[in-house]
Parts: sequence; C-alpha cells; structure tokens
Amino acid sequence: EDKVVQSPLSLVVHEGDTVTLNCSYEVTNFRSLLWYKQEKKAPTFLFMLTSSGIEKKSGRLSSILDKKELFSILNITATQTGDSAIYLCAVEALSGTSYGKLTFGQGTILTVHP
Amino acid sequence: NAGVTQTPKFQVLKTGQSMTLQCAQDMNHNSMYWYRQDPGMGLRLIYYSASEGTTDKGEVPNGYNVSRLNKREFSLRLESAAPSQTSVYFCASRRAWNYGYTFGSGTRLTVV
Repeated sequence: EDKVVQSPLSLVVHEGDTVTLNCSYEVTNFRSLLWYKQEKKAPTFLFMLTSSGIEKKSGRLSSILDKKELFSILNITATQTGDSAIYLCAVEALSGTSYGKLTFGQGTILTVHP
Repeated sequence: NAGVTQTPKFQVLKTGQSMTLQCAQDMNHNSMYWYRQDPGMGLRLIYYSASEGTTDKGEVPNGYNVSRLNKREFSLRLESAAPSQTSVYFCASRRAWNYGYTFGSGTRLTVV
C-alpha cells in the first residue's frame, strides 16, 4: 500500500523564521511528488517534482526531491503570516492502466506569528 | 475563469438519505477526481475518472458511486448516507500527468 508521511504535523514560528517541512514516501511505480498549500478551502498547487536533485523554486518557497532516499523537503524562508496554512505532500504512482492516483500525507499545519 | 466548481458548499443529511455532489470544470481537463478530507488523515481518493467514459475506485470507495456525465462533469452520489461519511469532499481535475491538480472549493457534508 502506498504511504506518505509528513513531519512535523504542526509547527509554530515567528515572522522571518525559515522552516523546513518533510515528506517521506513509500510507493510502487513512483511518478511524481506534489506540494500543495491549503488555507481555508481548496488546496492550491505549489510544486511538482519528478527528478531527483533538481530544486524547484518560487519566491520564498523551494522544494527538492531525493528519489534514492524517498523524501522531499519544502523550505520557506523569511516566513510571513500569510504563509500560515496546511502544507500537503502527495505522491503520484502509476498502477497498471490507471492514469495516476495521488496519495496524500496527513499535512503539516504551519502557524506564523507576527 | 471558474476552474472547478462544486455544489453544494454545505449540506446536512439524515442517516439513510441520499444525495449527489456535483462537480464541473471548464478547463477541458481529461481526468477528474473525488477526495474526502478528514482531520489528521489528509485527503483520500474516493473515485476517479481518467477520461470521459471511464471511472475507477480509489482508496475509500465504499458507500459511494460516481458518474462521469461528460468531459466537464463528474458527480458523486451517496445512496444511503452514514455518519462516517461526514467529511469535506473535494473534486479535482487535471489536464495531463505532468500538470498539477486543480481543486474545487469543497463541500462540507454532515450526516446526523
């Protein structure tokens, strides 16, 4: 059974801090790993990673994948209160003729205090 | 630019009642998905449709049925609601495998 584990489950920091969120996985036929940010409603897409060792970056957020050790990290530098959200990691695996199904981790609840 | 639209946004059902959650996307995406989100458990896949005319079970399909009515619409039906189906339901769609998923704003369902 595919499995995705995120850590920590929750994190409280102050504005300006740098945070690192972790995601480890065990899947058969790995295709990609995705990071989402969820505020009050729908998850919004941050990154998709398919290749090991290549950093994806968007402003203060960056992510990297290690396919050998089966994990990914999401870094947020100079955190702001608007970064407060649940960060979800998901892994997509191929399964027979299936198009691709996501398995989500439990999420990391990040709270940034002013 | 609506994206993925879900209706209703909130619903309260009595045990044993039935209802259909509607989902429509206007992005011409091939694949559509239904997830449920429960505290501490992330999102779990209920059913998905890789393309128009096909549907497949996900991780937690029991108690649900789906219909891919056309390329735009993918509905989720609860035939006989149970309190264990109290959850937030998200519909999502995707253009192709190398694109991210786009989620709807969710339906908060309570079964009493």
